[in-house]
Amino acid sequence: DAGVIQSPRHEVTEMGQEVTLRCKPISGHNSLFWYRQTMMRGLELLIYFNNNVPIDDSGMPEDRFSAKMPNASFSTLKIQPSEPRDSAVYFCASSLEGLAAYEQYFGPGTRLTVT
Amino acid sequence: TQLLEQSPQFLSIQEGENLTVYCNSSSVFSSLQWYRQEPGEGPVLLVTVVTGGEVKKLKRLTFQFGDARKDSSLHITAAQPGDTGLYLCAGAEGWGSEKLVFGKGTKLTVNP
Repeated sequence: DAGVIQSPRHEVTEMGQEVTLRCKPISGHNSLFWYRQTMMRGLELLIYFNNNVPIDDSGMPEDRFSAKMPNASFSTLKIQPSEPRDSAVYFCASSLEGLAAYEQYFGPGTRLTVT
Repeated sequence: TQLLEQSPQFLSIQEGENLTVYCNSSSVFSSLQWYRQEPGEGPVLLVTVVTGGEVKKLKRLTFQFGDARKDSSLHITAAQPGDTGLYLCAGAEGWGSEKLVFGKGTKLTVNP
């Protein structure tokens, strides 16, 4: 089975531009998580969905960030406008609710650089 | 806010040595997980511990969950260069929430 798929793998953009990150979770998984990883702050949860519904977005830094999950097989994380401090690796993860201890499976990440 | 502190932050050892890394919190977790992350990739789940005092072994790796479910350790016996990576612990809040709280990790380098 394919794992979590993320695109693009790398994104370089200029400050002020809109950035859209994409994620396809593992088929059959019903929870999806967006994380951001930096050296300073480690891995931080931004938002998570269950059955396509946003459950907890308390980690979303500010209104410039938004996330959608229009169906069970696709999610996007959008940053508009982007700023240099948004530079990080963004991971998507999925899990199957009910599975013991909510084990999460991560994608390979998108490395975002905002200049 | 629940926090997980991992120590040491960095560890560089020679092949064949043993090592232990720690994950500590003042909060109780319903379960705790260990992940390994290699450069350019996402974290990969190694193990989940659920019961206080639980010990799990995965080949040369031994994982322990503290009796009070606030801390955990990972012990590697006879480390190999292939063990190199970032080791992350993650606590599950549980009780209806699917959120995981991650520590900042221990970066392990095993030199041949």
